[in-house]
Amino acid sequence: LAKTTQPISMDSYEGQEVNITCSHNNIATNDYITWYQQFPSQGPRFIIQGYKTKVTNEVASLFIPADRKSSTLSLPRVSLSDTAVYYCLVANQGYNNNDMRFGAGTRLTVKP
Amino acid sequence: DVKVTQSSRYLVKRTGEKVFLECVQDMDHENMFWYRQDPGLGLRLIYFSYDVKMKEKGDIPEGYSVSREKKERFSLILESASTNQTSMYLCASSPGRSGQPQHFGDGTRLSIL
Repeated sequence: LAKTTQPISMDSYEGQEVNITCSHNNIATNDYITWYQQFPSQGPRFIIQGYKTKVTNEVASLFIPADRKSSTLSLPRVSLSDTAVYYCLVANQGYNNNDMRFGAGTRLTVKP
Repeated sequence: DVKVTQSSRYLVKRTGEKVFLECVQDMDHENMFWYRQDPGLGLRLIYFSYDVKMKEKGDIPEGYSVSREKKERFSLILESASTNQTSMYLCASSPGRSGQPQHFGDGTRLSIL
């Protein structure tokens, strides 16, 4: 089973680039990696998803090395509103959901 | 816009009560999920359903059951509530069996006294 491990917390300043890494040593061939953002009193919200190499959208980039045993969420030029908890999820495309694992989340604090 | 609605934001119940948490999605999604979220533990899957009347156990199904009589509605049932079931409960849905991203409700904070 793909257990996921993330740092508990990170601090940053406005305007900096933030990289949050998730380890998933036992990732399976069919597993995708998805990152979510959660604000207080809200449910998690989808940020980005990838399988390998690099994926970029309007809010973030996701870097996945060739061995896929980790992934890094990159947030460019963070602002105070990016303060949130970030979760990585490793799940297979067929949704055999007993193999679906969220990380415990990384609490990102962006300071002025 | 995609919408997952959980019936209550806050709920207080007593030990031994039967508790129902309701979730409705308006996106015609096949998959629906129930999680509980506790500090330091992240999201843990309780049950999921990939079709009407279908259900499968997640990581922590003990003490819970689910019902999916209609595609848009997925109910979580605490048969006999206990204090260790005090938690935040999150419902989510996703389309098909393609591993597409899940859409979450805003959660129900349940307190069992």
